[in-house]
Amino acid sequence: EIVMTQSPATLSVSPGERATLSCRASQSVSSNLTWYQQKPGQAPRLLIYGASTGATGVPARFAGSGSGTEFTLTISSLQSEDFAVYYCQQYNNWPPTFGQGTRVEIK
Amino acid sequence: EVQLLESGGGLVQPGGSLRLSCAASGFNFRSYAMSWVRQAPGTGLEWVSAISDSGGSTYYADSVKGRFTISRDNSKNTLYLQMNSLRAEDTAVYYCATLPIAAAVYFDYWGQGTLVTVSS
Repeated sequence: EIVMTQSPATLSVSPGERATLSCRASQSVSSNLTWYQQKPGQAPRLLIYGASTGATGVPARFAGSGSGTEFTLTISSLQSEDFAVYYCQQYNNWPPTFGQGTRVEIK
Repeated sequence: EVQLLESGGGLVQPGGSLRLSCAASGFNFRSYAMSWVRQAPGTGLEWVSAISDSGGSTYYADSVKGRFTISRDNSKNTLYLQMNSLRAEDTAVYYCATLPIAAAVYFDYWGQGTLVTVSS
């Protein structure tokens, strides 16, 4: 199965600053990659699919990029509600697999 | 508004069984493939199983194959997960989720989850 590796494990960012999260696949997943946001005690929320397409209702400050094996989620100006755990997931191959998550915390 | 409401979780002994349900509303349930995804305490997400819109095709993670059975009742807008021969490592919050496109296994709407604890 494809292994998804996210870095860093924890990212400390001040409100208003930019956050850059990385996700690497063990083999090419083309553009078949999603990003989710999960807050404590809540279900994950779809942010990005197709590596770069924003899901319905997702603010424009969330941007996904990349293809093949290297992907990035950029949050252009962190708001208080953006502090959460972010997961990437590939759906190019069976089974679909998730990264281990990046926690974005307040600096 | 799409709503997914899971139920059926609880405490079960190793080797025991549980059936989870996911009641769906706010969308045309019979037109969408569905899935179960789980999250062990304090850890990441793991895809468990998926089912086509008609129920005619089912898919399982290797970790649950032969022990779990996914099914659906489109007349009741309900998704199920029958879990047998439960192990401690099956302890997790189980989420049901919709697949926006049957050919692309990612998840756009999620329920709030139901906790399954396998312990003696």
